[in-house]
Amino acid sequence: AQSVTQLDSQVPVFEEAPVELRCNYSSSVSVYLFWYVQYPNQGLQLLLKYLSGSTLVESINGFEAEFNKSQTSFHLRKPSVHISDTAEYFCAVSAPGQNFVFGPGTRLSVLP
Amino acid sequence: ETGVTQTPRHLVMGMTNKKSLKCEQHLGHNAMYWYKQSAKKPLELMFVYNFKEQTENNSVPSRFSPECPNSSHLFLHLHTLQPEDSALYLCASSQEIGAYNEQFFGPGTRLTVL
Repeated sequence: AQSVTQLDSQVPVFEEAPVELRCNYSSSVSVYLFWYVQYPNQGLQLLLKYLSGSTLVESINGFEAEFNKSQTSFHLRKPSVHISDTAEYFCAVSAPGQNFVFGPGTRLSVLP
Repeated sequence: ETGVTQTPRHLVMGMTNKKSLKCEQHLGHNAMYWYKQSAKKPLELMFVYNFKEQTENNSVPSRFSPECPNSSHLFLHLHTLQPEDSALYLCASSQEIGAYNEQFFGPGTRLTVL
């Protein structure tokens, strides 16, 4: 079975600063990796995903994540955050024949 | 309507009440899911349906009863709930069951059990 760890429950950062949200996973088989974002009073929305191929994946709003198999990580980064990026971010892992497993989430607060 | 919709958005009920949550997806997907989101806990998968057939029940108490009349609609019938069942209940859908299939989520129903 897979598991996901998001070590930081809360990350405060000033506007226009860079941010990294950490995600580590555990699995005995090859995995697919996802980052979802949840804005207040909304459901989860897919931000980006790694299925295969290039280990660096990007979203349309400036986020990127890199799959690192040796470190079993899929950290999410953005070089310059905006107030509108304030939300909860969930890392998720899945594997063939298995359902999605979500991490506990990281609350990103962007301060003016 | 587009995407995944859920009604009601907020629900307050007593422990002896019976209520139902409704989810509808307008994406032509074949798989639907119920999740429970509680404060400070990871998202918990409750039920999975594939082509209207239940494929997974994640040890959910019988006071939660799902129903999937067709691939577009999913219900969660609630009865004799406990205060610890208060949470955000999220519905999701995907094209198919499969590890690489992105799940699309509704906005959720915020349930409070008194």
